[in-house]
Amino acid sequence: QLQLQESGPGLVKPSETLSLTCTVSGGSISSSSYYWGWIRQPPGKGLEWIGSIYYSGSTYYNPSLKSRVTISVDTSKNQFSLKLSSVTAADTAVYYCASLEGGNYDPNYYYYYYMDVWGKGTTVTVSS
Amino acid sequence: QSVLTQPPSASGTPGQRVTISCSGSSSNIGSNYVYWYQQLPGTAPKLLIYRNNQRPSGVPDRFSGSKSGTSASLAISGLRSEDEADYYCAAWDDSLSGFWVFGGGTKLTVL
Repeated sequence: QLQLQESGPGLVKPSETLSLTCTVSGGSISSSSYYWGWIRQPPGKGLEWIGSIYYSGSTYYNPSLKSRVTISVDTSKNQFSLKLSSVTAADTAVYYCASLEGGNYDPNYYYYYYMDVWGKGTTVTVSS
Repeated sequence: QSVLTQPPSASGTPGQRVTISCSGSSSNIGSNYVYWYQQLPGTAPKLLIYRNNQRPSGVPDRFSGSKSGTSASLAISGLRSEDEADYYCAAWDDSLSGFWVFGGGTKLTVL
């Protein structure tokens, strides 16, 4: 049973870079059946997908955030990470990591990989 | 505003059947699978329905999903108090370079 856990600073100053890590347990991040992703939820609002990564390092990002986002993977630690640069108050949110299940689909068809298991989320506040 | 459109609220009494709609366009629901997530208060979203109408193991068969054209629906039958939650639809959108989109969420109240 996959489990995911987010970790990182709960407070980030405006214009700085938000950095979070997701640790995967109960399975290997190098599994060919999964992508791994980040989703956020501003206070009282809906969900926004940030981006996803395959264990090989292949990534795809939300076009609205692409210029500020970097997602990376560390297979030796069974972790993947999020960096969001030049943050503002609008980036204040609960940040979730999630596995994206794809079964036997070719990973080139990443749109068939859907958000399956989610971490509990971590709150990040952007404030000076 | 969200790319997918959901009613902000829905309600029903225990035992009733409730449906929640999700409206999109040809670039998302019209050409890709729809997914539904349940978010209980203070918790992370949980996958309820995948690929339009499939239930993950452990999800009761009271929950069902359907899709027609550029719209989708989640139906909950035999409504229970523990179903009170926010429900989100999601789909892949083919526009730009492609990305995941969500509905704005529907708060379900069990009266």
